[in-house]
Amino acid sequence: QSVLTQPPSASGTPGQRVSISCSGSNSNIGINTVNWYQQLPGTAPKLLIYSNNQRPSGVPDRFSGSKSGTSASLAISGLQSEDEADYYCASWDDSLNGRGVFGGGTKLTVL
Amino acid sequence: EVQLLESGGGLVQPGGSLRLSCAASGFTFTTYTMTWVRQAPGKGLEWVSAISGTDTRTYYADSVKGRFTISRDNSMNTVYLQMNSLRVEDTALYYCAKSWSPLHAFDLWGQGTMVTVSS
Repeated sequence: QSVLTQPPSASGTPGQRVSISCSGSNSNIGINTVNWYQQLPGTAPKLLIYSNNQRPSGVPDRFSGSKSGTSASLAISGLQSEDEADYYCASWDDSLNGRGVFGGGTKLTVL
Repeated sequence: EVQLLESGGGLVQPGGSLRLSCAASGFTFTTYTMTWVRQAPGKGLEWVSAISGTDTRTYYADSVKGRFTISRDNSMNTVYLQMNSLRVEDTALYYCAKSWSPLHAFDLWGQGTMVTVSS
């Protein structure tokens, strides 16, 4: 059971806009920033969005992030076949002595 | 080249020990927090442990607390994960990753080293 909750799957057709949600609590998303990672099949995760809505250099502006309260969302517009991957949200949880937390991951299928 | 290279994985029996290493290059190692993240076969990412770059404070997931120890050698630009009392459920691909602080995003990941715990 992951601390952050994501839908296990999402899908869309090329050109569509899809959104992936990430739900947390007051000890993690409620007080810390959210980051998103993309993991293509057979590869290491790659940073997609940091500090809720910032894109690292090289990440297309088709990818965007937002946060409100204890939830966050990743949006992908103009969906492309190469976007088919697993997507994970992550944050820091201030409970206990502090720990990193991930969502369970969302497998995005481009139909 | 900026990179992280993990090593030390392998097959170990339940109750055994293993030490993973992650060698960093291409950046000022002492500045960054280093974190271990694992991924069991067919499963999602699980945060395991982190060590900050400045005060070397350490953090652990409940699932490994008391069994795993993270450390770093700044002279060797290397972070370690000593894993004791290994369990079958520790079987995973172990990644190391770097970030500005424990709260910041992982902006660089290694390729991972596989740990298999089985009799």
